[in-house]
Amino acid sequence: NAGVTQTPKFRILKIGQSMTLQCTQDMNHNYMYWYRQDPGMGLKLIYYSVGAGITDKGEVPNGYNVSRSTTEDFPLRLELAAPSQTSVYFCASSLGGGRANEKLFFGSGTQLSVL
Amino acid sequence: AQRVTQPEKLLSVFKGAPVELKCNYSYSGSPELFWYVQYSRQRLQLLLRHISRESIKGFTADLNKGETSFHLKKPFAQEEDSAMYYCALSRSSGDKLTFGTGTRLAVRP
Repeated sequence: NAGVTQTPKFRILKIGQSMTLQCTQDMNHNYMYWYRQDPGMGLKLIYYSVGAGITDKGEVPNGYNVSRSTTEDFPLRLELAAPSQTSVYFCASSLGGGRANEKLFFGSGTQLSVL
Repeated sequence: AQRVTQPEKLLSVFKGAPVELKCNYSYSGSPELFWYVQYSRQRLQLLLRHISRESIKGFTADLNKGETSFHLKKPFAQEEDSAMYYCALSRSSGDKLTFGTGTRLAVRP
């Protein structure tokens, strides 16, 4: 199993450009998440999904969009990139919700710079 | 809203010394607490969860509801413990994790 795969690993965008961060998992997990990690700020939840066709906002959804057409894929879309979106982005998945036996599996991250 | 606080950005200890990484939380319900770790050039991964009352790689963490804390402890630090450690909280009926800002542990030889 590859686990959670994110692409690309690095990207530089100009202000106003758009791009999609790809995330796919092969563990048949129901839940998928997108986090961003700013220096000294920990991980903040952008969007999450509890299953195909279902998505919901996290703490910091502004400037992003997601879709979940399949169980495996959960792409994150930036429509008009801004310098404030410079961050490291992590995709994660889990079998179920935040229960006692919850365990998140993380991707390796995407380092995005908006200049 | 729930919050997780890790007051130390960096904790530096010598090999063999005891380690305690602090984690405090604020949540009015009964939370579930976790510690995640990210070693150099590796992915973020679960270290342990309070409900399991387990010891992983010599680390333990006890949930203290009175002090709203979930500190991570190890009696004798090893160089391979050097990593970034994140405390995380899940609402008992929720489905999302709230992470702290992380503490970098550096174990010196």
